Amino acid sequence: GAGVSQSPRYKVAKRGQDVALRCDPISGHVSLFWYQQALGQGPEFLTYFQNEAQLDKSGLPSDRFFAERPEGSVSTLKIQRTQQEDSAVYLCASSSDLSGGFTDTQYFGPGTRLTVL
Amino acid sequence: AQKITQTQPGMFVQEKEAVTLDCTYDTSDPSYGLFWYKQPSSGEMIFLIYQGSYDQQNATEGRYSLNFQKARKSANLVISASQLGDSAMYFCAMRAYNAGNMLTFGGGTRLMVKP
Repeated sequence: GAGVSQSPRYKVAKRGQDVALRCDPISGHVSLFWYQQALGQGPEFLTYFQNEAQLDKSGLPSDRFFAERPEGSVSTLKIQRTQQEDSAVYLCASSSDLSGGFTDTQYFGPGTRLTVL
Repeated sequence: AQKITQTQPGMFVQEKEAVTLDCTYDTSDPSYGLFWYKQPSSGEMIFLIYQGSYDQQNATEGRYSLNFQKARKSANLVISASQLGDSAMYFCAMRAYNAGNMLTFGGGTRLMVKP
């Protein structure tokens, strides 16, 4: 079956512009995660959804970052008034939650590389 | 808080040889899962192998095995018979039961396979 898809794959924005990044999880996956990966580093958690509920947004770096998953499937990560420090790869992952808790494997999409000029 | 440490920023291995990528972790939670992911230059994170904190045996998946030493808090990835396509970044990650559902990642190891 299809994996996690993300669009666009690449986005160039001028400082101050708003951007929207889309994630299509694996069909039927309950949980959805967003991570930010700076160049040369490991991914860092941003936010987590279980169905349409945003259960954890502790990793969002500022109030310029907003995520939603209104129908419990597709999710959008929005960044307002982009800054140069927002330049990174944004990864989306989903998991089925069938086994529950810490054993569930997260499957990642290809990421969106955001460059803020 | 959870922490993952990968002390090898880069490693070379000869094709067809085995290689071990190191990972140590820190958590006070007795229930946790450890994951290894591969990230080729294309950028996608590919799941390789999983080890649960209560698993008695080391996990294996094809050419990948996880050397889990719970007392030492280490979860090293062993790749047997390296192939050129194994050249990539490798990330160790943890998910603790009482720490939310997110993965905590290490800084990664870049593996380069020489022909």
